Amino acid sequence: EPEVTQTPSHQVTQMGQEVILRCVPISNHLYFYWYRQILGQKVEFLVSFYNNEISEKSEIFDDQFSVERPDGSNFTLKIRSTKLEDSAMYFCASSMAGGTHHGYTFGSGTRLTVV
Amino acid sequence: DQQVKQNSPSLSVQEGRISILNCDYTNSMFDYFLWYKKYPAEGPTFLISISSIKDKNEDGRFTVFLNKSAKHLSLHIVPSQPGDSAVYFCAASPSGTYKYIFGTGTRLKVLA
Repeated sequence: EPEVTQTPSHQVTQMGQEVILRCVPISNHLYFYWYRQILGQKVEFLVSFYNNEISEKSEIFDDQFSVERPDGSNFTLKIRSTKLEDSAMYFCASSMAGGTHHGYTFGSGTRLTVV
Repeated sequence: DQQVKQNSPSLSVQEGRISILNCDYTNSMFDYFLWYKKYPAEGPTFLISISSIKDKNEDGRFTVFLNKSAKHLSLHIVPSQPGDSAVYFCAASPSGTYKYIFGTGTRLKVLA
């Protein structure tokens, strides 16, 4: 069964450093998403991406965050200057269509720890 | 922002019995509701969805009920199996968007 692949599974970074989280969505999917889950809290929407541009973003997704689809397979989330409160599990997801009733396919996540 | 709430953090059920997971929401502009299951060290896995124009959707052992007047939905799993033990998230999608707003999750434990 096709899956969304995220690397690395765990990343530790110093506060203030830039970090790039990588995702390989399912190959024929057209819509891409990033969510995060701070430990013990709910899963929160960050951004959706379609046709090489951001289609929607949350208040969390400020100027410190950016997304890119640098080639035909990867989808990346960059945090420019990490803060302690950015520590969370980051989930990438993709879907064939933008309609949400069929659900997305999520990756297994990258645990980001900012020290 | 508590638009989607799951008030029971945990639930234990005997194998073979029915599991009922509940979810309440406050925003009447949600047009789709979904349930996801999550195992440790994995991403959420889509289970079942329901449109706001319906009141029931069934898929095998899983049934979702929507009560729009009460702004309440529930997931029924019958019969429950030990492999169903996981965290279950309710999620809702505001009309005109592709994003989900998740609840805080309910940890289901099915006892053999």
